[in-house]
Amino acid sequence: QKEVEQNSGPLSVPEGAIASLNCTYSDRGSQSFFWYRQYSGKSPELIMSIYSNGDKEDGRFTAQLNKASQYVSLLIRDSQPSDSATYLCAVYIGNDYKLSFGAGTTVTVRA
Amino acid sequence: EAGVTQFPSHSVIEKGQTVTLRCDPISGHDNLYWYRRVMGKEIKFLLHFVKESKQDESGMPNNRFLAERTGGTYSTLKVQPAELEDSGVYFCASSPYRGAEQETQYFGPGTRLLVL
Repeated sequence: QKEVEQNSGPLSVPEGAIASLNCTYSDRGSQSFFWYRQYSGKSPELIMSIYSNGDKEDGRFTAQLNKASQYVSLLIRDSQPSDSATYLCAVYIGNDYKLSFGAGTTVTVRA
Repeated sequence: EAGVTQFPSHSVIEKGQTVTLRCDPISGHDNLYWYRRVMGKEIKFLLHFVKESKQDESGMPNNRFLAERTGGTYSTLKVQPAELEDSGVYFCASSPYRGAEQETQYFGPGTRLLVL
């Protein structure tokens, strides 16, 4: 079983729609969860971090965490063409200081 | 504030040659990490420095890889001799201090290594 798994892409959504990205993780003790956005050839850029169960909103982005289900998601509302990128779910596994990443979900927003 | 920088951005070498990658973390960041993404796979951890000390090198593939961080500032990752399977994108990341598990890691743009 992979430590972090993301829903397979690619994901294509029309402009203005909601893009929904999902991620599950294997370590029940994980406490810190991150969503990075990566444009082609660029560095992964942090867009959201979440540590507590529930929702966390930042602009058009909402992260949702359910530790009991070992599930974290990212919603992108009012999707824009500039949101077209690969989204990476990352989790600190156990007490280590290294991040485990999912394979990424590529999102394309159609104008 | 300057972000994490990496050099070179691309490197193409032949099998058996040596390549050295460099990472300059964000100024003042004690933690420095190396990660790698090979084609079609997830980004995988290689090693972690706190200042000049290696804290965790459990992800280093084999002894052909040598990482250093003399003086606790920039870091180098040397691959010697390079093999075909070493091809991929090598990312460096940094974070401010150790002890806070929830700290964000800031990533550089990566070095794209192709071994022919």
